[in-house]
Amino acid sequence: AQTVTQSQPEMSVQEAETVTLSCTYDTSENNYYLFWYKQPPSRQMILVIRQEAYKQQNATENRFSVNFQKAAKSFSLKISDSQLGDTAMYFCAFMGYNTDKLIFGTGTRLQVFP
Amino acid sequence: KAGVTQTPRYLIKTRGQQVTLSCSPISGHRSVSWYQQTPGQGLQFLFEYFSETQRNKGNFPGRFSGRQFSNSRSEMNVSTLELGDSALYLCASSLEGQGLYEQYFGPGTRLTVT
Repeated sequence: AQTVTQSQPEMSVQEAETVTLSCTYDTSENNYYLFWYKQPPSRQMILVIRQEAYKQQNATENRFSVNFQKAAKSFSLKISDSQLGDTAMYFCAFMGYNTDKLIFGTGTRLQVFP
Repeated sequence: KAGVTQTPRYLIKTRGQQVTLSCSPISGHRSVSWYQQTPGQGLQFLFEYFSETQRNKGNFPGRFSGRQFSNSRSEMNVSTLELGDSALYLCASSLEGQGLYEQYFGPGTRLTVT
């Protein structure tokens, strides 16, 4: 069975600084998808970034980028130029190929302070 | 385009009762997935429907069931409610599912069982 581990329950960063959230996963599959979702306080879950396992190039979305290490089964999220609006719970998630089942980690609560 | 909508947003039920939650996907989306979010267990996949058929199922007891209608709207039902069923129930829709397209989450239904 696949598992997703986020070892940092809470993190904080100062506005405009860079922060990296860690995620490791376990799977025996070769093809799969990885995601980072953001859940702001009392607001909807939104997709931050996704990575397809067969792509070696790390995904990037504006200030958000990932470091995908397939052999190490590691998928970290880097947030550059942190903004107050980045304050949220961040969930790392795994999805196997040909399935729509997301397996989530336990989340990292990120606080951005002025 | 309207986002994913869930009704009701809040619900209080008594142990032993049953409850039905509704999810309307984004127009044109045919895949609907349901997740349960609790502080103790985190985010867990319940089931996924595509074209009125359950395509994937998580590890929940048979008290949890769902269905999808021809217009892609989905309902989930929990019978014989237990205190542990108190949770935020999230639904997500995507065009086709299976990781090919982004999943868009609704605001959730917060169920409290007393």
